[in-house]
Formats: sequence, C-alpha cells, structure tokens
Amino acid sequence: DTAVSQTPKYLVTQMGNDKSIKCEQNLGHDTMYWYKQDSKKFLKIMFSYNNKELIINETVPNRFSPKSPDKAHLNLHINSLELGDSAVYFCASSRQGADEQFFGPGTRLTVL
Amino acid sequence: AQSVTQPDIHITVSEGASLELRCNYSYGATPYLFWYVQSPGQGLQLLLKYFSGDTLVQGIKGFEAEFKRSQSSFNLRKPSVHWSDAAEYFCAVVGVNSGGGADGLTFGKGTHLIIQP
Repeated sequence: DTAVSQTPKYLVTQMGNDKSIKCEQNLGHDTMYWYKQDSKKFLKIMFSYNNKELIINETVPNRFSPKSPDKAHLNLHINSLELGDSAVYFCASSRQGADEQFFGPGTRLTVL
Repeated sequence: AQSVTQPDIHITVSEGASLELRCNYSYGATPYLFWYVQSPGQGLQLLLKYFSGDTLVQGIKGFEAEFKRSQSSFNLRKPSVHWSDAAEYFCAVVGVNSGGGADGLTFGKGTHLIIQP
C-alpha cells in the first residue's frame, strides 16, 4: 500500500493554464504539507495543514491555493501558471508537526 | 528562524570507503533533526532522526548520525558505502514554536554523493 500518493506524476502544460495536483495519505496522519523542489534540488515548504486547517503559509504567490477536503487529502491548485513554477512538488504527512514526515513520490510540473 | 547548512555540494567516495556528510543547523531551542535520502527521480526517504536522548542515532541502510549541540552539527556517517548509496542527501530541522506547533521542515541544500567503483 502506498503511504503518500500524488497524482499526476508528470504534468506538462502551457503558461497561463490552471492545474491541480492531488495528494492522499493512508497513514491516519493529522498534518500534511506541500514542498517545492527547484531545479537545483532545493526543497522549501509551501503550506502545512493540520486537521484541515491551514497552519503554515510561506511566502508563496496567491496563485497557489491548497485545499484540504478531509484529513487524508491535501490538493494544490495553481492558477495562471508561469515558467518559474516549473519544479517538482512533494506532498508529505506526519502524525504531529514535529514528527517525521513521509513524502510522496513527487509531481514534476513543466510549464512551457 | 531556523536554518541548515550542508557545506559540501558534491562528495565522491570509493565503494567500500567510509563516508561522512556534514550538517550544521541554526535554531534557538532544541532542534528536531533529520536526514533524508533522495535517489534519482524518487521521493525522499527518512534515514534517521534525532529528537532527544542518545546523541548517536542509528538509521536504516547502515547509516548513523551524531548530534553535537556544542558544534550545532548533525553529521551523517557510514562505515562502508555501497554503489547503491549514490543519491542526494538532505539534512533537515523542524522547530517547535511557542504554541507547540511545528514550523515545518527546513532543509539544507543537499549533498550529492557519487560512488566510485
């Protein structure tokens, strides 16, 4: 069983489009996250949700909007995609905020 | 705010040789520290973690790390590397804020490990 899953694995789209990435965890964790990994492999947290409540919202353009329909899901919607949004996006989850985080396989987003 | 420094961008070691990857952190209180590994095209896998207690922690795949508060370091070691250890290694810290919640993982920039035959 996959603990943290993301769909799609690859996403290629044009500038200006709107796209979503879905994340699901079957670990029963309370906290979920989105991270962005740039072309230099640098990982930076974008958002954190605890029991469907937004906890962390780092300096991210408001074109990015996370949505958590329930504790097991945290989706990322991106409006008006730009070239600089090209990256690998990782979803993660943990029991509590300071506990170890389990990562999904990543979604490679390419904006043309 | 916390920060993590991994001073070595690339490290090359011969198969069978020992390995040490350096990590320094900056955080005001007691940090929670992690080492993750990322193989090419893959997600991140936890190698080990330090929360409290024994400062020498054992992880998976034969890795260990030592927390040294005086040096603000959490270096990763392995006595004998295998070709399959070639990957990107990330040190990370998570801080606990005054409300008891977490600030999220702050990662170092990673160390790319190359294994020579």
